[in-house]
Amino acid sequence: ETGVTQSPTHLIKTRGQQVTLRCSSQSGHNTVSWYQQALGQGPQFIFQYYREEENGRGNFPPRFSGLQFPNYSSELNVNALELDDSALYLCASSRQGADEQYFGPGTRLTVT
Amino acid sequence: QQQVKQSPQSLIVQKGGISIINCAYENTAFDYFPWYQQFPGKGPALLIAIRPDVSEKKEGRFTISFNKSAKQFSLHIMDSQPGDSATYFCAAISAGNMLTFGGGTRLMVKP
Repeated sequence: ETGVTQSPTHLIKTRGQQVTLRCSSQSGHNTVSWYQQALGQGPQFIFQYYREEENGRGNFPPRFSGLQFPNYSSELNVNALELDDSALYLCASSRQGADEQYFGPGTRLTVT
Repeated sequence: QQQVKQSPQSLIVQKGGISIINCAYENTAFDYFPWYQQFPGKGPALLIAIRPDVSEKKEGRFTISFNKSAKQFSLHIMDSQPGDSATYFCAAISAGNMLTFGGGTRLMVKP
């Protein structure tokens, strides 16, 4: 088990609503990355946060946004939810400049 | 654009056999190649990783073979056990930023 925690575990939202997912990084790690994993597929990189700023972004629209706090924890916000946003959202923590990323258990989001 | 291609999509192996999963990449800027193991309802767990200056890395029953000229790498699981049944993902990264994952291989080890 890594020291990365995520909340909530499961979430059901309606199309058009907004959602906030939370992640606490492993002790000693200052960088948080978010990934979206659709059913039966590999995770897709959303963005990475370091020093409370976005430090790289994948091919996701602006309605996916994030925050990082001084204690290195992070939030992922998704506005105007679409049915295709239904997925497992994974948070990974790492030390800046290190390649090893350690994943949390994920948040299962269902959009109806 | 799928920059990391993984095969096979599924694999059935008898207990004690060798499981082999292959990956190919396109981006020559990748400089770190990890493998992750994921059980249903869990996040991916880092299993083993290799850098392109090494052709092979072994940790217990898990071995990565790396062919830089062919831009291919593979995971070998020796003496496969039923507890190894999971989905395995290869991945690649450059500059410690974005992990690019393969599509995954669902491994079933029959007792």
